[in-house]
Amino acid sequence: DAGVIQSPRHEVTEMGQEVTLRCKPISGHDYLFWYRQTMMRGLELLIYFNNNVPIDDSGMPEDRFSAKMPNASFSTLKIQPSEPRDSAVYFCASSILAGGLQETQYFGPGTRLLVL
Amino acid sequence: RKEVEQDPGPFNVPEGATVAFNCTYSNSASQSFFWYRQDCRKEPKLLMSVYSSGNEDGRFTAQLNRASQYISLLIRDSKLSDSATYLCVVTLAGNNRKLIWGLGTSLAVNP
Repeated sequence: DAGVIQSPRHEVTEMGQEVTLRCKPISGHDYLFWYRQTMMRGLELLIYFNNNVPIDDSGMPEDRFSAKMPNASFSTLKIQPSEPRDSAVYFCASSILAGGLQETQYFGPGTRLLVL
Repeated sequence: RKEVEQDPGPFNVPEGATVAFNCTYSNSASQSFFWYRQDCRKEPKLLMSVYSSGNEDGRFTAQLNRASQYISLLIRDSKLSDSATYLCVVTLAGNNRKLIWGLGTSLAVNP
């Protein structure tokens, strides 16, 4: 069974450009998470969805960031305009509710973003 | 103060050694606890959940001390393949979807 799929795996762009990161969660999972990881701040939750609906976007750094989940098998994270401080690894993760218990989050391989 | 704190290491140990990591959390309302493992340039993967009574999975033992608000991970008979960063993770009561991550402890097991 395929895991979480992210694209692109690497992105190099110039400041001011729009960046779109894509994620396909594991089939049947009803939660989707977007994270950002840097050396200084570690893993930070940006936003998460339940059944395609955004539940908590309090981690989204500013209006330049937006995320959508148009259907159960696809989500995007967009940065417009991008800035050098957005350089990081962006992970997508998914999980499935399991009887109300905490379940494992499965991560994709990440997108390494470098904004010049 | 960070919500979840870990000694960044690196811990350098020989094969076969026993190594222990601690993690402290600041919010007494923290509800669930985990250790994730992250290999270099890879994604995090769940290593084990941490239960109040402590739990063991092969060479790995996790302990929780709610009174002192810390979690530990013990690795016995360490292998070269254990080299990775170990991330301490907690959730808060009322929202077990929102994971709060430590910065991780780096372990290098040497031959």
